[in-house]
Amino acid sequence: EVQLVETGGSLIQPGGSLRLSCAASGFTLSAHYMSWVRQAPGKGLEWVSVMYSGGNTYYADSVKGRFTISRDISKNTLFLQMNSLRAEDTAVYHCVKGPWNYWGQGTLVTVSS
Amino acid sequence: QAVVTQEPSLTVSPGGTVTLTCGSSTGAVTSGHYPYWFQQKPGQAPRTLIYETTNKHSWTPARFSGSLLGGKAALTLSGAQPEDEAEYYCLLTYTDAWVFGGGTKLTVL
Repeated sequence: EVQLVETGGSLIQPGGSLRLSCAASGFTLSAHYMSWVRQAPGKGLEWVSVMYSGGNTYYADSVKGRFTISRDISKNTLFLQMNSLRAEDTAVYHCVKGPWNYWGQGTLVTVSS
Repeated sequence: QAVVTQEPSLTVSPGGTVTLTCGSSTGAVTSGHYPYWFQQKPGQAPRTLIYETTNKHSWTPARFSGSLLGGKAALTLSGAQPEDEAEYYCLLTYTDAWVFGGGTKLTVL
């Protein structure tokens, strides 16, 4: 059974850093493209980043230069390193297995002083 | 990055048919955008209904179908049920990004 469990969300001050993790089970993470998607409170879905199976990575303009997606093949885990956090980064962050068929429940990141 | 547009809200009667659309600021939506459709109910994670324009998952109710219509991706619901009331999002892929539409709030009334 495919499972995606995100952890690492918390309350963080503006300008701070946070690393989110997405532990995958039931499939080999590196064989699929994996994305991060966020949803601000009461708002729609926003694509954040993708890592393809070959290692190529892409980012939304809103996070480019501040966020980094990576993976640990030995741990079957996806990461999102978030730096220089802003209030507008406040959202539930979901990891999603390509091709967009399984979603984690998400982890809440709140950026506030 | 491109902007993907959806109707903000639509209403359908129980048993009725409704079509949601998904347009792109870069021009016509094609199969090369690999359109996806997601359903999200309050307090839940989204779930995928349609992938790559027309394909359904095993969990997708038969009353949902995907297509390309007039330069847009389309999601048609035929025989709406009360449980279909939800937010629906489309997703398109571009050269170096994926972009979600703003979502359509579907009311079954």
